[in-house]
Amino acid sequence: DGGITQSPKYLFRKEGQNVTLSCEQNLNHDAMYWYRQDPGQGLRLIYYSQIVNDFQKGDIAEGYSVSREKKESFPLTVTSAQKNPTAFYLCACLGSSEAFFGQGTRLTVV
Amino acid sequence: AQKITQTQPGMFVQEKEAVTLDCTYDTSDQSYGLFWYKQPSSGEMIFLIYQGSYDEQNATEGRYSLNFQKARKSANLVISASQLGDSAMYFCAMREGALTIRGSTLGRLYFGRGTQLTVWP
Repeated sequence: DGGITQSPKYLFRKEGQNVTLSCEQNLNHDAMYWYRQDPGQGLRLIYYSQIVNDFQKGDIAEGYSVSREKKESFPLTVTSAQKNPTAFYLCACLGSSEAFFGQGTRLTVV
Repeated sequence: AQKITQTQPGMFVQEKEAVTLDCTYDTSDQSYGLFWYKQPSSGEMIFLIYQGSYDEQNATEGRYSLNFQKARKSANLVISASQLGDSAMYFCAMREGALTIRGSTLGRLYFGRGTQLTVWP
């Protein structure tokens, strides 16, 4: 079945560490997005990519980095520069009349 | 200025009644798309309905309908015959800067802050 997969579902990070969240899709869509969601809040755009080897910053890109080496994959790295990384992270890809989401990754700093 | 505005942080409705969740948007594009998503406490994003800017008819999907008023830049979600399972956070979203290349849709995707809907028996 076609879809978009995020892993891991839960992730714990020590302060000062970089961690990478995986996002893979087999829907053959070009546009992919990363959002951050804090409790009781909406989705804020971190980065998005519309084509392989190209990506743009969203509204809250500081402390994050991405790559888009393959159409299917859009990993997000939360760097040590991100001072408050505890949040729920959602990856999405865009079809003609629907945006498809992964199940999300809950990141906690310990 | 916010691209998507949802002015109702919380809404309450009795089971079997209809409820309208408000959404206004801001864009100067002629071609854009509007979406509604439901997010239960599990966190997954469930797609409900889509309206394209050139669609003349209001979109409907089962108990969901989108009241699209283009001149007012309004895209309210109407849920008819509410059920207890409808209790969740609801997000309005807009795809702007739409471009289609090789059949693939591109554009930036904005979300509102959401409306927490509670259905009571």
